[in-house]
Amino acid sequence: KAGVTQTPRYLIKTRGQQVTLSCSPISGHRSVSWYQQTPGQGLQFLFEYFSETQRNKGNFPGRFSGRQFSNSRSEMNVSTLELGDSALYLCASSLAGQDNEKLFFGSGTQLSVL
Amino acid sequence: GENVEQHPSTLSVQEGDSAVIKCTYSDSASNYFPWYKQELGKRPQLIIDIRSNVGEKKDQRIAVTLNKTAKHFSLHITETQPEDSAVYFCAANLRGSTGNQFYFGTGTSLTVIP
Repeated sequence: KAGVTQTPRYLIKTRGQQVTLSCSPISGHRSVSWYQQTPGQGLQFLFEYFSETQRNKGNFPGRFSGRQFSNSRSEMNVSTLELGDSALYLCASSLAGQDNEKLFFGSGTQLSVL
Repeated sequence: GENVEQHPSTLSVQEGDSAVIKCTYSDSASNYFPWYKQELGKRPQLIIDIRSNVGEKKDQRIAVTLNKTAKHFSLHITETQPEDSAVYFCAANLRGSTGNQFYFGTGTSLTVIP
């Protein structure tokens, strides 16, 4: 079974631009969540999608948004990029539901904002 | 919301010794506590998890203990090996009516010295 796939692997953008990251979950997994990882900050929760609906949202500004498609693939968008947005963005999928919370992570997209 | 604190941030042990990493959480409603291992440049991998109705769980050289009253849980690695060197993250899942929301600690960088 293929794992969680994230594209692209690396991105370099400049301040003010926008970026879209993609995540394909493990087949059969309906929940996709996104995390921002920066040195010293660990993983910070961005949002979770299930059946094309955003169920939960972390404490990030509205510049960070996402969506989920009917095949459970998800995209994350960051508009008006700032230098502080440079980070590794990880997505994770899970079966969801009671006792099915286990997260399986992708390899991440390393975003650098210049 | 939930707040997860993790200590220590760095840990060095001699090969064969034990390593202990501790986490505390703030919300008593959290009910699922996974531990992830992230090697340099790789995705976080689930190594062990525990639910709130269990006090201890063991898998070969790895064990996790949970004290619900004190709201803390710990990862124990015995007979450490150089390949155990990695960053370890604890997490707490605050499951609500809208689904899962994972809160991560800031990570512990473990170095096993041969």
